[in-house]
Amino acid sequence: AQRVTQPEKLLSVFKGAPVELKCNYSYSGSPELFWYVQYSRQRLQLLLRHISRESIKGFTADLNKGETSFHLKKPFAQEEDSAMYYCALIPPWDTDKLIFGTGTRLQVFP
Amino acid sequence: NAGVTQTPKFQVLKTGQSMTLQCAQDMNHNSMYWYRQDPGMGLRLIYYSASEGTTDKGEVPNGYNVSRLNKREFSLRLESAAPSQTSVYFCASGEGAADTEAFFGQGTRLTVV
Repeated sequence: AQRVTQPEKLLSVFKGAPVELKCNYSYSGSPELFWYVQYSRQRLQLLLRHISRESIKGFTADLNKGETSFHLKKPFAQEEDSAMYYCALIPPWDTDKLIFGTGTRLQVFP
Repeated sequence: NAGVTQTPKFQVLKTGQSMTLQCAQDMNHNSMYWYRQDPGMGLRLIYYSASEGTTDKGEVPNGYNVSRLNKREFSLRLESAAPSQTSVYFCASGEGAADTEAFFGQGTRLTVV
């Protein structure tokens, strides 16, 4: 089945520790990939997109086509990074569709 | 600039009742989406619309209907609500391209008893 999988429901780290939120996808072809974030009491919003090769709030994401993964990383977590993170993709055969993963809650302790 | 507006924010329904969730966007986006958010399941796409007058099924369309009467509005209807439809519903809009982003509403918390 085609899906976006985030294997960790909850990831807890201490401030200053490195963070890696995993995302695996099983779609064929070359989907467009994104990370979205939902902070407490805020709307879901875009964090970064693969096509821009950007670093936002210290986060980067590496696409590994061989492993079909798009993991989100940050070298030093901050307490304000605590949020729900969703990996998302646009399938190559239906660019009007936007599919999300199961989500990972990141808790950063002081 | 309101972005994406959903109504209502909260709703309690009895099993078998019907209701329509409203969504409107003021960003002139072509694509609109309805998702449900459940613990451990993430965001699952219910229906989406690439343009006015067109709609397509997403991952979990059963028990729902949608209507895209104009570019701004995309409504989601539950004809006969079931407890399994208790969830938080999100509407979003965007351009469906790799270099754009989807904008989300604040969500509707629906409880079916």
